[in-house]
Amino acid sequence: DVKVTQSSRYLVKRTGEKVFLECVQDMDHENMFWYRQDPGLGLRLIYFSYDVKMKEKGDIPEGYSVSREKKERFSLILESASTNQTSMYLCASSLGEGRQLNEKLFFGSGTQLSVL
Amino acid sequence: DAKTTQPNSMESNEEEPVHLPCNHSTISGTDYIHWYRQLPSQGPEYVIHGLTSNVNNRMASLAIAEDRKSSTLILHRATLRDAAVYYCILYSGGSNYKLTFGKGTLLTVNP
Repeated sequence: DVKVTQSSRYLVKRTGEKVFLECVQDMDHENMFWYRQDPGLGLRLIYFSYDVKMKEKGDIPEGYSVSREKKERFSLILESASTNQTSMYLCASSLGEGRQLNEKLFFGSGTQLSVL
Repeated sequence: DAKTTQPNSMESNEEEPVHLPCNHSTISGTDYIHWYRQLPSQGPEYVIHGLTSNVNNRMASLAIAEDRKSSTLILHRATLRDAAVYYCILYSGGSNYKLTFGKGTLLTVNP
């Protein structure tokens, strides 16, 4: 089975801190994604990457950046954390292969980030 | 993105079948219908997907209406471990892989 591992289950940071959320997948997937999940708002796509060093903005990229230096690792960066970035962050990956419409996403267990 | 409509919540008894409905009246011809579920304190997991024909796998069955304006996820014998939020999603591909998750249906399974 595909394993998507997020480095922390819970994280507490202070306003203004730079925050790194790490995600690693072990199945040589081309695509990786970062979502955030908030009560009443569902899952919203922040950024995704379809190849090493490639990235595209999702629906809510403001206040975030990403890095993909190696195929298996996709990092989400909060340059200056704010309280409205308190959320559950979910990483996902998918195989790729030419952007098939029947792609499956595999998710990690999530990181609950609290910004105080 | 085409929109889906699901009931906010449903309840079932253990070992009984569960039919989770989804309406997607604005579906386009190339939209795949995907279902994911999210167990408590976990990320979503893929359940099943289809385009036009009914689909079966070890987790569930997907029944798609002939006009494709609705679909039903069928859990043949609900267990307590099936209690989760179930998301019905239309995936239209295009220039990105964005799966738009709605609010889903919270399924409660009673022992």
